[in-house]
Amino acid sequence: EPEVTQTPSHQVTQMGQEVILRCVPISNHLYFYWYRQILGQKVEFLVSFYNNEISEKSEIFDDQFSVERPDGSNFTLKIRSTKLEDSAMYFCASSEGQRTQYFGPGTRLLVL
Amino acid sequence: AQSVSQHNHHVILSEAASLELGCNYSYGGTVNLFWYVQYPGQHLQLLLKYFSGDPLVKGIKGFEAEFIKSKFSFNLRKPSVQWSDTAEYFCAVEGGGATNKLIFGTGTLLAVQP
Repeated sequence: EPEVTQTPSHQVTQMGQEVILRCVPISNHLYFYWYRQILGQKVEFLVSFYNNEISEKSEIFDDQFSVERPDGSNFTLKIRSTKLEDSAMYFCASSEGQRTQYFGPGTRLLVL
Repeated sequence: AQSVSQHNHHVILSEAASLELGCNYSYGGTVNLFWYVQYPGQHLQLLLKYFSGDPLVKGIKGFEAEFIKSKFSFNLRKPSVQWSDTAEYFCAVEGGGATNKLIFGTGTLLAVQP
């Protein structure tokens, strides 16, 4: 069964550094998403992406964040200058149409 | 703004006990509703979903959920839990906005004792 994959599984970085989180969505899916879950809190929507552009973004997704689909398979989330409060589990998801989203295993980001 | 409430944050049950996890959402329009499960160390997996039709939906692993529109609820049930059901359960609603972003509840951590 096809799955969404994410790399790395864990990342530790210093405050102010740039990080890029990578996702490989399911191959025939057209809609892509990023969510995050701060420890002990709910899963929160960050951004959705379709047809090579952002469809919707939350208030969390400020100018420090960007997304890109650099080739036909990867979907990346970049945080330009990480802050302590960016420490969270970041989940990528994809869907074929505007229906069921399938989630990846997540990247646990720790900002020191 | 849409929101999802899960009233039980931690639930501890013995094997074979029945389970019901509450979920309420606040959104007056047409909604699509989901339950996801996250087993320890694993990613979010879809348990079941409701888009339309029969309000009683059956999912994987013997789970079911009932959509009651008048109560804005979508409670998850299982008649007899197993130790392997130990996990965190998330209710989510998709509705409105430019895309089908999911709004999640805070999750319910279920521990099943053998």
